[in-house]
Amino acid sequence: DTAVSQTPKYLVTQMGNDKSIKCEQNLGHDTMYWYKQDSKKFLKIMFSYNNKELIINETVPNRFSPKSPDKAHLNLHINSLELGDSAVYFCATSAADTQYFGPGTRLTVL
Amino acid sequence: SQKIEQNSEALNIQEGKTATLTCNYTNYSPAYLQWYRQDPGRGPVFLLLIRENEKEKRKERLKVTFDTTLKQSLFHITASQPADSATYLCALDRGSGNTGKLIFGQGTTLQVKP
Repeated sequence: DTAVSQTPKYLVTQMGNDKSIKCEQNLGHDTMYWYKQDSKKFLKIMFSYNNKELIINETVPNRFSPKSPDKAHLNLHINSLELGDSAVYFCATSAADTQYFGPGTRLTVL
Repeated sequence: SQKIEQNSEALNIQEGKTATLTCNYTNYSPAYLQWYRQDPGRGPVFLLLIRENEKEKRKERLKVTFDTTLKQSLFHITASQPADSATYLCALDRGSGNTGKLIFGQGTTLQVKP
């Protein structure tokens, strides 16, 4: 069983569209995250949820909105996509000090 | 300003040698530092965590040191194998404790040649 899964793995879309990325974990962890990894491989935290409550919200445009329907899911919705949103987005969970990452979603905005 | 830096140049070594990767940070007082491995097209995988009161930690062929005076961590892979080829990321908690707010270095790509 995959511990942290994301769908889709690849997402190609036009500028201005709205898209969502889904994340599910079966580890039973309380905390989930969204990270963005840009073309230079920098991995930056975007959001963190603990028990469905937003606890970390980095300087991310309002076009990005995370939603946690339950402890096992954290979805990322992006409105009005821009070219600069092209990146790989990783979902992660944590237990104690360790983070467990999903396989990533490569978003390409044309 | 706060920074965490790894050698962005790829490290190429011969199989069987020891690989040493460096992670330097400034203007942080992390309670711990972590190392992750990332293979192409995959998410980072946790390898080791070392706390501020620990000088060294080992796991099989991996060894991590943490010098809070130098603000540096070294990551060693002994008896390296081609399967160790990957990008290695260091990360530390941006807060003074376990806030979960990790900041990552840009990673160092290791290539082990047979």
